[in-house]
Amino acid sequence: KAGVTQTPRYLIKTRGQQVTLSCSPISGHRSVSWYQQTPGQGLQFLFEYFSETQRNKGNFPGRFSGRQFSNSRSEMNVSTLELGDSALYLCASSPGTSGGHHEQYFGPGTRLTVT
Amino acid sequence: AQSVTQPDIHITVSEGASLELRCNYSYGATPYLFWYVQSPGQGLQLLLKYFSGDTLVQGIKGFEAEFKRSQSSFNLRKPSVHWSDAAEYFCAVGTSGGSYIPTFGRGTSLIVHP
Repeated sequence: KAGVTQTPRYLIKTRGQQVTLSCSPISGHRSVSWYQQTPGQGLQFLFEYFSETQRNKGNFPGRFSGRQFSNSRSEMNVSTLELGDSALYLCASSPGTSGGHHEQYFGPGTRLTVT
Repeated sequence: AQSVTQPDIHITVSEGASLELRCNYSYGATPYLFWYVQSPGQGLQLLLKYFSGDTLVQGIKGFEAEFKRSQSSFNLRKPSVHWSDAAEYFCAVGTSGGSYIPTFGRGTSLIVHP
């Protein structure tokens, strides 16, 4: 099976702009989670989508949003970028049901730099 | 709510030496436990997992972990470390109900000296 893919891998944006990141999960997985990873805060959960619905949400401002499509692919969007949004954004794929036991498979991440 | 503590921010070992990375969790029932490894600039790779049954779990790359309920621990071990094992290691705990999102520890950075 192909793994989790994320595009783009690297991105440089300017403060105030917006950005959209994409994630394609493992075939058959219905859950996609997004994480922000920074040296200072570690791995922080943003949100999870399951069958096109946001099922869980972390503690991030409304500038961070996401969606999931019928083929389980997911996008996350960050509007009005701030310098502090510079981070590695990781996408994780999971079966999303109790049988999956919460096992997550991660993509390589998108490195976002805000200048 | 569940939580995970990785007490060691950095661990330094010599190549060929044994390794133990500590992980303590807090959760009222039997947890689902995971260890992930992250190489620089990469995503997290699942090393091993514990759901139930045998408390000694074997994973990839020669790693193993032991679930000790009495100590609320799930420590990761490797008998002989290779230079390529240098990376960040994350312990995570999932629960049997509610959210399917695991809680991650802050990570332990492993440095391997030749």
